[in-house]
Amino acid sequence: DTGVSQDPRHKITKRGQNVTFRCDPISEHNRLYWYRQTLGQGPEFLTYFQNEAQLEKSRLLSDRFSAERPKGSFSTLEIQRTEQGDSAMYLCAAGRLYEQYFGPGTRLTVT
Amino acid sequence: AQTVTQSQPEMSVQEAETVTLSCTYDTSESDYYLFWYKQPPSRQMILVIRQEAYKQQNATENRFSVNFQKAAKSFSLKISDSQLGDAAMYFCAYRSNTGNQFYFGTGTSLTVIP
Repeated sequence: DTGVSQDPRHKITKRGQNVTFRCDPISEHNRLYWYRQTLGQGPEFLTYFQNEAQLEKSRLLSDRFSAERPKGSFSTLEIQRTEQGDSAMYLCAAGRLYEQYFGPGTRLTVT
Repeated sequence: AQTVTQSQPEMSVQEAETVTLSCTYDTSESDYYLFWYKQPPSRQMILVIRQEAYKQQNATENRFSVNFQKAAKSFSLKISDSQLGDAAMYFCAYRSNTGNQFYFGTGTSLTVIP
């Protein structure tokens, strides 16, 4: 158990709908990362939080994507107006300093 | 941006034998961290081993060890006495000491043959 949970584990949505994913790390993990992973690829960095501050965002993160981490605890990743190309596994990782522990991921399928 | 290359999409090893997975990276920085992560089928990714670039000594964790060649920008993972539970995707990752992003390779799928 890495101490990082994600909800939901699977999400099927129709193109054009909005979806929101949640990540819950343990309280000691002040750093939080979101990644996208497609089949046969390694995780691609999306965004990074230190406590409640979003300090980095990838160029991959279009304006349809937004992430929050209110109060430096759980985090949400929202995708608006989903497209078929958004189908992927969305991974959350959290930790302190240079370590990161991964959650089980949310698999998104856009039909 | 830093790039991480894993040139072996698939590898196989006999149970109890030793296998080495390759990883190279490109960076102009001198201080950074390197990692190997394991992702079993349908299970979450876990950290296998970590290496700080400023340390000359290669990291070891039980049956897992690395060969870190800083000048060559090479970071290979050696798994000794391979077990069936070692079967998984293995990802090499890089993180700068000054940045926050982790950069991952495309992974190596390891099969362990009984």
